[in-house]
Amino acid sequence: AQSVTQLDSHVSVSEGTPVLLRCNYSSSYSPSLFWYVQHPNKGLQLLLKYTSAATLVKGINGFEAEFKKSETSFHLTKPSAHMSDAAEYFCVVSRAGYSSASKIIFGSGTRLSIRP
Amino acid sequence: EAEVAQSPRYKITEKSQAVAFWCDPISGHATLYWYRQILGQGPELLVQFQDESVVDDSQLPKDRFSAERLKGVDSTLKIQPAELGDSAMYLCASSLDPRQGGVNEQFFGPGTRLTVL
Repeated sequence: AQSVTQLDSHVSVSEGTPVLLRCNYSSSYSPSLFWYVQHPNKGLQLLLKYTSAATLVKGINGFEAEFKKSETSFHLTKPSAHMSDAAEYFCVVSRAGYSSASKIIFGSGTRLSIRP
Repeated sequence: EAEVAQSPRYKITEKSQAVAFWCDPISGHATLYWYRQILGQGPELLVQFQDESVVDDSQLPKDRFSAERLKGVDSTLKIQPAELGDSAMYLCASSLDPRQGGVNEQFFGPGTRLTVL
């Protein structure tokens, strides 16, 4: 069984300050983990992915995430927030390398707001 | 850049009517997914195809929803009859065969926003 929990439904930071979006997961298998971003009236876009290679994963637009197996976490961070980062962010877990019934699970989302 | 195409972008219908959504995945992507995203929530997987075969439809309300991918390329999702609670964004995504790549990185289309009156 798999599940994913995004610990904050809404995060607000000032422009230029660090961003932290928290995600905890549960999986009976080796997980693949992803972060997606959804801007208003736009499709979901992949930010980064963890596939059991490096535990620190770098993505687009300066975002990165660290896979911590002992804490079952995959938190998303960015050193300095930009106004264009305001969006909804989704953490996703699936069973690594398995096609049939991959059981892809999306978190409930975290809305990121950026204050000028 | 290759994209997942969906149509229509918006659909308004009355309850008890039939609606259909179409998705054309990125060329070469063997795996196709349909999701439903209710406002304020994360997407929920409805059905996953591997080529023309359904590999997961455990969350698909089969009494009113159906999905097909007859030739293993484009796909249609149908609702008959539509109910008020079906109002949502319906997203289509595609990926390479994760059995080959080991990672089912998905590419999403823009979605179809359904409003049932």
